[in-house]
Amino acid sequence: QQQVKQSPQSLIVQKGGISIINCAYENTAFDYFPWYQQFPGKGPALLIAIRPDVSEKKEGRFTISFNKSAKQFSLHIMDSQPGDSATYFCAASKPSGSRLTFGEGTQLTVNP
Amino acid sequence: NAGVMQNPRHLVRRRGQEARLRCSPMKGHSHVYWYRQLPEEGLKFMVYLQKENIIDESGMPKERFSAEFPKEGPSILRIQQVVRGDSAAYFCASSPLQNKELFFGEGSRLTVL
Repeated sequence: QQQVKQSPQSLIVQKGGISIINCAYENTAFDYFPWYQQFPGKGPALLIAIRPDVSEKKEGRFTISFNKSAKQFSLHIMDSQPGDSATYFCAASKPSGSRLTFGEGTQLTVNP
Repeated sequence: NAGVMQNPRHLVRRRGQEARLRCSPMKGHSHVYWYRQLPEEGLKFMVYLQKENIIDESGMPKERFSAEFPKEGPSILRIQQVVRGDSAAYFCASSPLQNKELFFGEGSRLTVL
């Protein structure tokens, strides 16, 4: 019940394309869904987050789409750039604490 | 405002030795979390601490691992009698309050020979 499943494991996109990463969760008690970006040798950094009272949140080129009934959420990166090449993690947490349960990560490569 | 500071960044230990990893949270943050990341894997929760208290240690192995966050000084993750399977990146994160954004440090990479 604590799992967050992420796909794909790796993704290659051309510059200017749209990158889409998907996550599914099991625990309906989760109420906070962030996405983290991690560059090699660095710590994860919060990219964007959503709560289940909205179905979409956009910040610049990054959009989270949230489907509460399907228990799925996804990250869309519009106009993908080589500098977006990194590992992306989805995560989820419950109201009772901010402990995050992470997906397994998606390694994104944006070719120039 | 400095970020979450972790040290050492890299640590090499032989099997059976002890590893101590330190984490200084961001200024004003009283909640500290430790996560472990194995190569090519996601981050796994280990422990959640507030000053002088362990709030949730459900992700900590039962033996050899301990964590503390004293009233003064950094949080410390201690691994006794390390084994090769302990080789991983250990990340510390802090937040100002419960249910708020976590800020991660750059990690401590432990290699056990």
